[in-house]
Amino acid sequence: GNSVTQMEGPVTLSEEAFLTINCTYTATGYPSLFWYVQYPGEGLQLLLKATKADDKGSNKGFEATYRKETTSFHLEKGSVQVSDSAVYFCALRTNTGFQKLVFGTGTRLLVSP
Amino acid sequence: SQTIHQWPATLVQPVGSPLSLECTVEGTSNPNLYWYRQAAGRGLQLLFYSVGIGQISSEVPQNLSASRPQDRQFILSSKKLLLSDSGFYLCAWSVRAGTYEQYFGPGTRLTVT
Repeated sequence: GNSVTQMEGPVTLSEEAFLTINCTYTATGYPSLFWYVQYPGEGLQLLLKATKADDKGSNKGFEATYRKETTSFHLEKGSVQVSDSAVYFCALRTNTGFQKLVFGTGTRLLVSP
Repeated sequence: SQTIHQWPATLVQPVGSPLSLECTVEGTSNPNLYWYRQAAGRGLQLLFYSVGIGQISSEVPQNLSASRPQDRQFILSSKKLLLSDSGFYLCAWSVRAGTYEQYFGPGTRLTVT
């Protein structure tokens, strides 16, 4: 079946540190991949996406590259800020049947000043 | 622009009581609609989705139900709440064609006591 695996958190970093949150997936065919962010007490916001292999999604300094050979979509940011503290969800959208999202369990990021 | 509303924002209900959560979308027509639950410290679980008025698909058998009485209205209900129904309930919408990105509402925090 289709699934997404994320690194367990929390990830604790100091401000201006480099961030990587790992995400790998299992899917039939060629899914689209997404990163969503959830700030405390809020719903999810789409952060970035990639729809085919080797695509790079980017937004607000965050980047992720769709790697088909390693079935990965790792999230990176060169210099995190305190305001980046949130829970990050990796997700895939299947291309067969009803095209619903499959989410990972989320990774909490805590950035200290 | 499109907006999605959920209410109430917070709800505390006793075990065995009924439940009704409402979600409405503005600024779009014929959206796909979704209900997710996020239990404490866990990822998102898709509960129901709908591709049109009166069309509901259930992902997880449980004591919850969903209805779509109008094109942009999605309701989550229960006749008798269980303790295990506590969680953060998120409504989302997507367009019928294209990239199928999902856009989330602010969520409802439900505590069953």
